[in-house]
Amino acid sequence: DTAVSQTPKYLVTQMGNDKSIKCEQNLGHDTMYWYKQDSKKFLKIMFSYNNKELIINETVPNRFSPKSPDKAHLNLHINSLELGDSAVYFCASSQTGYNGYTFGSGTRLTVV
Amino acid sequence: DQQVKQNSPSLSVQEGRISILNCDYTNSMFDYFLWYKKYPAEGPTFLISISSIKDKNEDGRFTVFLNKSAKHLSLHIVPSQPGDSAVYFCAASEGQNFVFGPGTRLSVLP
Repeated sequence: DTAVSQTPKYLVTQMGNDKSIKCEQNLGHDTMYWYKQDSKKFLKIMFSYNNKELIINETVPNRFSPKSPDKAHLNLHINSLELGDSAVYFCASSQTGYNGYTFGSGTRLTVV
Repeated sequence: DQQVKQNSPSLSVQEGRISILNCDYTNSMFDYFLWYKKYPAEGPTFLISISSIKDKNEDGRFTVFLNKSAKHLSLHIVPSQPGDSAVYFCAASEGQNFVFGPGTRLSVLP
């Protein structure tokens, strides 16, 4: 009954590959997010999405694209993976008007 | 450019004593602040928040203080318990845009 679940937890892949990370939330929240935790442990917003609006952090390369089949899912697709994409990626969700986020447990992506 | 800073990467405190975690921010437009706690191999969990219209918010052993003029907030944990050992992230927001600090690792020693 995990509230925000991400799969896979670990992903090792070669440069140039295309991969996806899935995220699902069962909280009924209206907004979902993807964060990247960089080497200095900062959590940086990549995307936020609700059923009305996708907000993209302009610093995110267009090789990264979110796909939301419904409001409970926000998947992250990454094309042509690069070494610098190696990081931990966190999915999160929130409900407009309420405090805080609920985070997934993270996906550690390693590009070799 | 770091808009939210947590200048202490780590902090060790004896069980039963007070833990004080600090956070500084640069953007005066931030109007909402949160603290998250993160255990290894888990995602951050929401701990406590404060709006810019307040200077203190308390929830059990956790109290957050906000000093807007200094652009500084702190999280106090009293009394500290070994289970509080985790990484604590400060976050600040303007509207839907949240910015997280790098985190402080708290170790509570028995």
